[in-house]
Formats: sequence, structure tokens, C-alpha cells
Amino acid sequence: GAGVSQSPSNKVTEKGKDVELRCDPISGHTALYWYRQSLGQGLEFLIYFQGNSAPDKSGLPSDRFSAERTGGSVSTLTIQRTQQEDSAVYLCASSLAHRAGTGELFFGEGSRLTVL
Amino acid sequence: KNQVEQSPQSLIILEGKNCTLQCNYTVSPFSNLRWYKQDTGRGPVSLTIMTFSENTKSNGRYTATLDADTKQSSLHITASQLSDSASYICVVRGNRDDKIIFGKGTRLHILP
Repeated sequence: GAGVSQSPSNKVTEKGKDVELRCDPISGHTALYWYRQSLGQGLEFLIYFQGNSAPDKSGLPSDRFSAERTGGSVSTLTIQRTQQEDSAVYLCASSLAHRAGTGELFFGEGSRLTVL
Repeated sequence: KNQVEQSPQSLIILEGKNCTLQCNYTVSPFSNLRWYKQDTGRGPVSLTIMTFSENTKSNGRYTATLDADTKQSSLHITASQLSDSASYICVVRGNRDDKIIFGKGTRLHILP
């Protein structure tokens, strides 16, 4: 498809389990972002990938959270030993490199994570 | 500290009425400011972008303004429709370090 694709759209897991969330950015977009949005709240920055540069991990809330971007395209956000407070919608966005465009972020529909 | 503050936090208006949402920012140096619309259960979608030299920009019933001197922006919605019910998010991009700062959004509810 032409847009940002995220999977799964919904994930219910038990406390303590690991989860992986996937993001397929728009082809040609070198920048990729992960955000977390709790119910009724604003977007919380998690991590930012730009091309081959080292990712900006400054938003990751704990060492249970990690993300990879393989081949400059698909990204996976992994949450280890999930806790109930991890329950949220995880949104992925991609964009052209900052200097290559106006920086519009194109968002996926999100992955809703529920930790029981 | 770079911040983006939006007001009101939430707003309820009747269908057909106009409303104005506010965004104040401290991001400097400034590259651009976007307003995004986020429907319930969906990802945000860009409505409009404002750069330093622009004062007003319209997109249908949406009109954004920018005062770069006072670091304020507004989003005016004319003749509101039920489909305007959503969160409206102000997002500011810095010019130096590629930082993108999100406001917490204004939740708009349009009543029939």
C-alpha cells in the first residue's frame, strides 16, 4: 500500500510477556518515528531513526523498550516483560529527510496494546 | 526548554458554529508549524503547515494563522460539521536539531 502500515492492529497480552510491534514506512521515507499514546492523552515520543545515523532513543521509557530498523525500511518495536502501564496505542510515522521536504509525518493507524 | 502548549484542552460546540483553537510555542529556532487532525482510533493527518514567513493559510473550512513574533498559532474552523469531532494537534519543528515537538492536543466535540 501507499501508506504507513502497522501490525498487529490490536494485541492483548499477559503481564510479563514480550511483544513485538511492526511498522512498514512509506517507500523512500528515510525518517521513521515511534510514538506512544495513552487513552485520551497526547503523543509521547519514543524513538527516531534517520537513514544510517544512530537512532535517537531519548524517549524510550525504560530498558524494556527497544527498536530496530532493518535495511532502512521496516522497523520493529519490542517491549520486554510487559507491564500494565505499557497499555497504549503505539503509533509509527515516517517522513522524508528533514532537508528533503517539509517534514510532514505520515502516521500509521497504530497498534493498540492491552496488557492484562 | 522547547514546549508547545495548546488551549483549550477540550471544546464542545454545536454543529454549524465556528471555533478557534490556540497553540503557543517556545521552540527556537523555528522551522515550521503543522496542525494535525486525529480522528478517534486513527493516526494523525496533517491539515496545514505554516512556515516563518506565512501569516495565514486556509484549507477548506480550516484556517491557520501564525504570529512568529509572539510564537502563537491558531486554527479556526468555520461552519463546523459532525466530522470535525477529533483531536487537533499542534506540532512544531525546530530548525537546528530536527526536533519535532507535539502539543497535547485539543479535543473537539461537535454536537448535532
